Amino acid sequence: DGGITQSPKYLFRKEGQNVTLSCEQNLNHDAMYWYRQDPGQGLRLIYYSQIVNDFQKGDIAEGYSVSREKKESFPLTVTSAQKNPTAFYLCASSGKREISYEQYFGPGTRLTVT
Amino acid sequence: AQRVTQPEKLLSVFKGAPVELKCNYSYSGSPELFWYVQYSRQRLQLLLRHISRESIKGFTADLNKGETSFHLKKPFAQEEDSAMYYCAPRRISPRTYSGAGSYQLTFGKGTKLSVIP
Repeated sequence: DGGITQSPKYLFRKEGQNVTLSCEQNLNHDAMYWYRQDPGQGLRLIYYSQIVNDFQKGDIAEGYSVSREKKESFPLTVTSAQKNPTAFYLCASSGKREISYEQYFGPGTRLTVT
Repeated sequence: AQRVTQPEKLLSVFKGAPVELKCNYSYSGSPELFWYVQYSRQRLQLLLRHISRESIKGFTADLNKGETSFHLKKPFAQEEDSAMYYCAPRRISPRTYSGAGSYQLTFGKGTKLSVIP
């Protein structure tokens, strides 16, 4: 383990509040990703960043925002516009392994909004 | 649009029995597929890639382009194989930049494998 850290492990917020989830990596990877994992839904891509100062929407970007000011960091903000924010959030980065690329995942943050 | 289907939410097998976790995909162009695994209280991690034709922890997966399948198989299940398994084809996306950023994945909904002692 190691390489990608997410904090905190558990996060509780009141409805209507924005909350920012942290993701840091020391793998020197250019690309980083945010996924949402819900029971029976698999992983769904929220946002991704291919390089510093660049990011693109994934499949379920509404109600979320990101920034990529440093190579090591890719924070995700869950805004009050997100209708169902309670979920398990996974951050990943990708790097080359032999002839293709592999995504490396963080331990995740479980967000509960009441 | 690319789609990946894992038809079984839960698969239970006895220890020592063969295991097959199914994955079907719809894809345009040359597919590149992966299996990821998440053991209890551990991070999601890569299990194997079709491109390298490797066998990891006794698991293999063959890409069948005719059936558009990438089923994961193991001849003899072990208790430590109990985990959540995700099939993930690489998604087609505009290559703004080359390299790792173009390796986005579409994850299936996953199959929970339970190996009964």
